[in-house]
Amino acid sequence: GAVVSQHPSWVICKSGTSVKIECRSLDFQATTMFWYRQFPKQSLMLMATSNEGSKATYEQGVEKDKFLINHASLTLSTLTVTSAHPEDSSFYICSARHVLRGYNEQFFGPGTRLTVL
Amino acid sequence: GENVEQHPSTLSVQEGDSAVIKCTYSDSASNYFPWYKQELGKRPQLIIDIRSNVGEKKDQRIAVTLNKTAKHFSLHITETQPEDSAVYFCAAIPPNFGNEKLTFGTGTRLTIIP
Repeated sequence: GAVVSQHPSWVICKSGTSVKIECRSLDFQATTMFWYRQFPKQSLMLMATSNEGSKATYEQGVEKDKFLINHASLTLSTLTVTSAHPEDSSFYICSARHVLRGYNEQFFGPGTRLTVL
Repeated sequence: GENVEQHPSTLSVQEGDSAVIKCTYSDSASNYFPWYKQELGKRPQLIIDIRSNVGEKKDQRIAVTLNKTAKHFSLHITETQPEDSAVYFCAAIPPNFGNEKLTFGTGTRLTIIP
């Protein structure tokens, strides 16, 4: 149990365009999901916490108008990178919070590799 | 907020030997410490975790120890195998009344030499 999917797995786009990434919990409901960004050979950095039915909470230094998060249902959160630029190229990973062993854990999606030309 | 430091950044060991990765955390209230293995281009995989009411946990060749007083925890892999080669991340979660957030360490690239 506790499977999380992401779509697309990779995307290449032109500078200035917007890209939407979907994160789905397939066999459980997730009121809270998280979005991370990982640059090559670096750690995962939390970008924002996505809460179903309310506004996302962004980490310091993350532009909320550039990284739009929508958590419209208990199984889906989306991250839209608006007006993408080459420096936004990264590996974006979501996770969903779920209680499987009696306490909160985060279950990770497979990631989306974004390349902005 | 929580700050997690991880050492070493790279580690090479002969197949069959043991590997140890160490992490320290700053928030004494943190109560959950997972370890993840990440292969290139893949999602982090939880390999073992420990909660603050336990000092040690073992799962086959993998063990984690926690020293709450010193605020550090370590991952031990015994009888290493080539498939153990990956990047390993420690993490810590301080309690935040339902809004717990993972803080990751900087990662350790483990290479097992056949």
